[in-house]
Amino acid sequence: EPEVTQTPSHQVTQMGQEVILRCVPISNHLYFYWYRQILGQKVEFLVSFYNNEISEKSEIFDDQFSVERPDGSNFTLKIRSTKLEDSAMYFCASSVAGGPNEQYFGPGTRLTVT
Amino acid sequence: GEDVEQSLFLSVREGDSSVINCTYTDSSSTYLYWYKQEPGAGLQLLTYIFSNMDMKQDQRLTVLLNKKDKHLSLRIADTQTGDSAIYFCAEISGGYNKLIFGAGTRLAVHP
Repeated sequence: EPEVTQTPSHQVTQMGQEVILRCVPISNHLYFYWYRQILGQKVEFLVSFYNNEISEKSEIFDDQFSVERPDGSNFTLKIRSTKLEDSAMYFCASSVAGGPNEQYFGPGTRLTVT
Repeated sequence: GEDVEQSLFLSVREGDSSVINCTYTDSSSTYLYWYKQEPGAGLQLLTYIFSNMDMKQDQRLTVLLNKKDKHLSLRIADTQTGDSAIYFCAEISGGYNKLIFGAGTRLAVHP
């Protein structure tokens, strides 16, 4: 069964460093998403991406964040200068279409900023 | 703004029914979802209900929606140890793509 994969599973970085979190969505899906979950808090929407551009973003997704689909398979989230409060589990998701269509989630990348 | 609330923990005996509750604030929600998260895994969609429905049954799972009270519940019949996980309630509204999640309910099933 096709699945969303994410690498790495755990990333430790120092404050101020740049990190890139990688995702491989399901191959025939057209919509891509990033969510994050700070420990003990809710899963929060960050951004959705369709047709090579951001279709929606939350107030969390500020200028420190960017997303890219550099080739036909990967979908990346870059955090330019990490802060302690960026420590969280980051989930990538994809769906065949937008709106209420099922979003398939990856296993997540745990980001720890020290 | 939109908000989804859930109780954080539920403990049940194996073989009993589990009922996980959720409330939401966005009256324009079109679909409501239940996701399951097992340790080390992503969020797996269990079931969903469209906002014009009151109930949906899928094998051991029953979803009840009270739109007036903005209350959603997930009932798991004959709960098994393999059902131990975190269960997330989520909503999506209008033409938007983003899911709004609750904090998740940790279900512990004991013998």
